[in-house]
Amino acid sequence: QSALTQPASVSGSPGQSITISCTGTSSDVGSYNLVSWYQQHPGKAPKLMIYEVSKRPSGVSNRFSGSKSGNTASLTISGLQAEDEADYYCCSYAGSSTPCVFGTGTKVTVL
Amino acid sequence: EVQLVESGGGLVKPGGSLRLSCAASGFTFSSYSMNWVRQAPGKGLEWVSSISSSSSYIYYADSVKGRFTISRDNAKNSLYLQMNSLRAEDTAVYYCARDKVAHFDYWGQGTLVTVSS
Repeated sequence: QSALTQPASVSGSPGQSITISCTGTSSDVGSYNLVSWYQQHPGKAPKLMIYEVSKRPSGVSNRFSGSKSGNTASLTISGLQAEDEADYYCCSYAGSSTPCVFGTGTKVTVL
Repeated sequence: EVQLVESGGGLVKPGGSLRLSCAASGFTFSSYSMNWVRQAPGKGLEWVSSISSSSSYIYYADSVKGRFTISRDNAKNSLYLQMNSLRAEDTAVYYCARDKVAHFDYWGQGTLVTVSS
């Protein structure tokens, strides 16, 4: 199973909105509404930000939203803040034997 | 409060073995599938292995199949990863993560495994 494709980097100014794409195949992203997104600050463990394409865990800001179209999922961060600067990874379910195929990761920079 | 604490990492020579542990607390451990996820230095996340709540279903990434063994002890609220025939490319921070319907809602802080001569 190959890694899902994400842009290496995305940047935006404070207050702007940015979108990170996550492209898979009909065997993973396209087949299941089981895409999740993780935020990782340097030296820290990943943190769940979005699950099941568009659901937010308790405590996660509503500035984070998720969507999916075909084989591509997206994470949008609105009202960008300095604390949003981190690496972001998508993950898609790809069947019972592969519960998660991670994306290549995207570094978000707040200008 | 849900807590996952990994231990057992360290420096090991190529071809050697290491056993990682993950101590869980703050939730009913026996009700959840658990996973190991790793991250090589400066690289992205890679799912390694998963085990169902009763150990009935176990899966591995192709990169570790035949070399790593995941297990759990529900009486001790603990998850394990036995790593044999270690290679330089296994060098990574290893995280344990709780599985909640195809997403990982809680993660440990990670333990570093370095494979080098």
